Amino acid sequence: GQNIDQPTEMTATEGAIVQINCTYQTSGFNGLFWYQQHAGEAPTFLSYNVLDGLEEKGRFSSFLSRSKGYSYLLLKELQMKDSASYLCAVRNYGGSQGNLIFGKGTKLSVKP
Amino acid sequence: DAGVIQSPRHEVTEMGQEVTLRCKPISGHNSLFWYRQTMMRGLELLIYFNNNVPIDDSGMPEDRFSAKMPNASFSTLKIQPSEPRDSAVYFCASSLPAPTSLDTQYFGPGTRLTVL
Repeated sequence: GQNIDQPTEMTATEGAIVQINCTYQTSGFNGLFWYQQHAGEAPTFLSYNVLDGLEEKGRFSSFLSRSKGYSYLLLKELQMKDSASYLCAVRNYGGSQGNLIFGKGTKLSVKP
Repeated sequence: DAGVIQSPRHEVTEMGQEVTLRCKPISGHNSLFWYRQTMMRGLELLIYFNNNVPIDDSGMPEDRFSAKMPNASFSTLKIQPSEPRDSAVYFCASSLPAPTSLDTQYFGPGTRLTVL
């Protein structure tokens, strides 16, 4: 089967660093995506990992370990506007090429 | 550049009525996805088109749901008859073809459907 797990909610303080974890079990893994979704809005692309290691993009970084079925999204120098849900999604090549399987998202609240 | 366009943005209807949701993908994108998002189930893929051809409709909940893509710039998702449990936000997304790092999916603003 396919399963993606991430914490439901997290709280952090403005200016701090937060790490959002994602574990997955899928067949035919071929890439992991992180999306940000503000309340009432559409998901927007943040990062993509297909090889093991860390991808850095400004204040956001994403890490992947394929052998462990594990990824994390690291947000540095948190700002109030980072309060949103963060969705982990895995692309597989089981029966369908290109489609993503999404986790239920982690709702991050940034406090002053 | 215009992003993915969806209409209507909000739809309120009564049980039993037909509902049609519309999507215009980003120009040049040849993959199109329909998703449904609820608090309980999160974001679920309903159906996926590549070059206007349905590739995977295994996520379509039942025969009441149907989707078409008559050309590269337009797709519809129809629910007939609608039921209260269909209430959700329906997103359309488009992308360039996999498998490249360019196949990031870009989401439209969504249609919030309420079935009374």
